[in-house]
Amino acid sequence: DSGVTQTPKHLITATGQRVTLRCSPRSGDLSVYWYQQSLDQGLQFLIQYYNGEERAKGNILERFSAQQFPDLHSELNLSSLELGDSALYFCASSLSSDTQYFGPGTRLTVL
Amino acid sequence: GDSVTQMEGPVTLSEEAFLTINCTYTATGYPSLFWYVQYPGEGLQLLLKATKADDKGSNKGFEATYRKETTSFHLEKGSVQVSDSAVYFCALSEGGSQGNLIFGKGTKLSVKP
Repeated sequence: DSGVTQTPKHLITATGQRVTLRCSPRSGDLSVYWYQQSLDQGLQFLIQYYNGEERAKGNILERFSAQQFPDLHSELNLSSLELGDSALYFCASSLSSDTQYFGPGTRLTVL
Repeated sequence: GDSVTQMEGPVTLSEEAFLTINCTYTATGYPSLFWYVQYPGEGLQLLLKATKADDKGSNKGFEATYRKETTSFHLEKGSVQVSDSAVYFCALSEGGSQGNLIFGKGTKLSVKP
């Protein structure tokens, strides 16, 4: 158990809908990272927050957004969903910018 | 940009065989290097890491040495077990203010009894 929690574990929705994925980092970790894992693209970095502020952006679509709250949990919002957004979404947290600890992931299926 | 290349799988071995999974990287700076493992239906677990040249990371019988001259971080284990069956990801991080990980495509390992 990494200490990082993600909810929900599974999410099934339809095209055009909006969903919110939630992540709680390990106690004391200030950084939260979001990654997408798909069969064709592999594991890709989406976005990083550090202590409530956006720190870095990767291959995140404009339809996707995230935020980190004062209690350090983070939410990833995905809107206008398309079939191609079906993937595993992982959250990771770290104290320093070195070692990241991953949550169990949220499997999103868009029908 | 930075990138990681690891050997294509799947790799199938018999129990107690020797394992090598090759990983090479391209980076502008001096990255930290990682191996993560993903067991079926689970998230990624950090297996080992190395933060500077010539460092050797080790854990659970797995080892990898940070080779700056060959820009490589190959994963090795002397005697694999069925329980090692998983997908292995090599990754790098430039650290600093942008510590995001850049992953290779993953190598699926199956160990047969």
